[in-house]
Amino acid sequence: DTAVSQTPKYLVTQMGNDKSIKCEQNLGHDTMYWYKQDSKKFLKIMFSYNNKELIINETVPNRFSPKSPDKAHLNLHINSLELGDSAVYFCASSRRTGGTYGYTFGSGTRLTVV
Amino acid sequence: DAKTTQPNSMESNEEEPVHLPCNHSTISGTDYIHWYRQLPSQGPEYVIHGLTSNVNNRMASLAIAEDRKSSTLILHRATLRDAAVYYCILRDYNTNAGKSTFGDGTTLTVKP
Repeated sequence: DTAVSQTPKYLVTQMGNDKSIKCEQNLGHDTMYWYKQDSKKFLKIMFSYNNKELIINETVPNRFSPKSPDKAHLNLHINSLELGDSAVYFCASSRRTGGTYGYTFGSGTRLTVV
Repeated sequence: DAKTTQPNSMESNEEEPVHLPCNHSTISGTDYIHWYRQLPSQGPEYVIHGLTSNVNNRMASLAIAEDRKSSTLILHRATLRDAAVYYCILRDYNTNAGKSTFGDGTTLTVKP
């Protein structure tokens, strides 16, 4: 069983489209995250949810909207996609917030905007 | 957030130990030191973490300096499968935010 699973693995779409990425974890963790990894391989946090509540919202365009229907799922919806949105998006989870607990990452969604 | 500094790249021979350094001179008393690695085309993978004392697990050992301003990840016998980007990050125990900043990491090359 995959601990943190993301779908789709690859996503190619045209500028201006709206797309969603889904994430599910079966670890029973309370906290979930979205990270973005750009072409320079730098990993930057975008959002974090703890028990369905948004607790981190970094400086991300409001075209990006996360949704957590329950604590096992965290989806990312992106409106009006731009070329600069092309990146690998990673979902992650941790048992709780705070440094006592490590992250478990998904395998990523490679988004290409053309 | 406190930042970490790592060498851009390191090389090792297979079956030899590898010591990956990380500097975190602005670490706070409540920061845990975490290490992750990312193999090509995969998500980051948890390796080890610690607060003050050295830590061992089946993957690696973590040596933390007495002043906690630096740490070293030790792979006891490098294999070709250990070739990856290794990230050292700090995660605050106290914050309710749970966020961490990943730096550039160290690209480890293992030579057969």
